[in-house]
Amino acid sequence: DTGVSQNPRHKITKRGQNVTFRCDPISEHNRLYWYRQTLGQGPEFLTYFQNEAQLEKSRLLSDRFSAERPKGSFSTLEIQRTEQGDSAMYLCASSLRDNLNTEAFFGQGTRLTVV
Amino acid sequence: DQQVKQNSPSLSVQEGRISILNCDYTNSMFDYFLWYKKYPAEGPTFLISISSIKDKNEDGRFTVFLNKSAKHLSLHIVPSQPGDSAVYFCAASAKDTGRRALTFGSGTRLQVQP
Repeated sequence: DTGVSQNPRHKITKRGQNVTFRCDPISEHNRLYWYRQTLGQGPEFLTYFQNEAQLEKSRLLSDRFSAERPKGSFSTLEIQRTEQGDSAMYLCASSLRDNLNTEAFFGQGTRLTVV
Repeated sequence: DQQVKQNSPSLSVQEGRISILNCDYTNSMFDYFLWYKKYPAEGPTFLISISSIKDKNEDGRFTVFLNKSAKHLSLHIVPSQPGDSAVYFCAASAKDTGRRALTFGSGTRLQVQP
């Protein structure tokens, strides 16, 4: 499978716990994005990497959120001290830098439920 | 402030008929537009896109129209099939931000009745 892969698919955690999600982009894609989607809404941009550099962060990305892409390949998104409002689908996407008009390819997402 | 708006939360059409999904945007810097389709429990899947230098782009049964002066785009699906039933998201990006983010609408749920 050469698509964007996200793990885990589902995560249930207690409020106050830390969680970490992983994203493996399409191998030749140097751009990686994290989005969050809540019920009835479209995906909302969280952060963007070009290779290993995190070049943009949304104001939605509070201090409790941190994302890394250490070797320019896979990425992790960590949420510390989770809150019920963090419950959402977290989507990862990747694209190729060379063509500015290229579409982003999304993974299947990680659904987080904070209880 | 919603920069991309899909004002119809849902749409129901008969199989074989045309489906028209609409999208409006407010940010004049947007110059590249995309439509994604999403099935339950899956991530969005790219469908079709259009650059602001064009006013129409076709791909099989899917056609996207762009009216820059009205800041409006639409997706036409002809003929509609039951497998097209999904949530459709309109998205936009701006060249001046290096296409670092897509701004999505809230989606339109399309149901194609057999």
